[in-house]
Amino acid sequence: DIHMTQSPSSLSASVGDRVTITCQASQYIRIYLNWYQQKPGKAPKVLIYDASNLETGVPSRFSGSGSGTDFTLTISSLQPEDIATYYCQQYHILPLTFGGGTKVEIK
Amino acid sequence: QLQLQESGPGLVKPSETLSLTCTVSGGSISSSSHYWGWIRQPPEKGLEWIGSVYYSGSTYYNPSLESRVTISVDTSKSQFSLKLSSVTAADTAVYYCTRDGRLNWFDTWGQGTLVSVSS
Repeated sequence: DIHMTQSPSSLSASVGDRVTITCQASQYIRIYLNWYQQKPGKAPKVLIYDASNLETGVPSRFSGSGSGTDFTLTISSLQPEDIATYYCQQYHILPLTFGGGTKVEIK
Repeated sequence: QLQLQESGPGLVKPSETLSLTCTVSGGSISSSSHYWGWIRQPPEKGLEWIGSVYYSGSTYYNPSLESRVTISVDTSKSQFSLKLSSVTAADTAVYYCTRDGRLNWFDTWGQGTLVSVSS
């Protein structure tokens, strides 16, 4: 299985801050990396697919980058509604696997 | 708008079989462009892909669960189902049904249903 490592596991930032979350794959996965946002008590929602493509309807303050084994999710200006846990997920090789999550809180 | 809705018992006894059904509405389960899958999330933990099924019945399972999992599809009812046998407390989780493109990203999720394994 491809192991996905996210960091940090949690972070606290102020409204308006730039927030960066990283995801590292245990082996090469090209650009086959997606990002999800999960708010408390809700199902996850895809934000970014294929490493850098913004899903329809997702605010442009979210962006993704990377390829190979190292990937980044950036929130350019943190908003109160962005409080959630963020997960990366690879689909280069089955089984599909997720990172452990990054919990984002407001300072 | 596509909607997915899980249904099934919220409590299962150890060693028994967990059975859930997902009903698809607002779209076709016979889409050639999509798979239908199950993902679970133990309380306060991360996400685990269980497996996916194509409308034709072709399946892909997570090897960690493959010996206990069956996912099937009933296109006439616009439903797909999950069976997980020989459950233990470690199978307690919120179970989500999902749609994905072609085993890539999950673009639609059900609301999730909590299944507890306890005697």
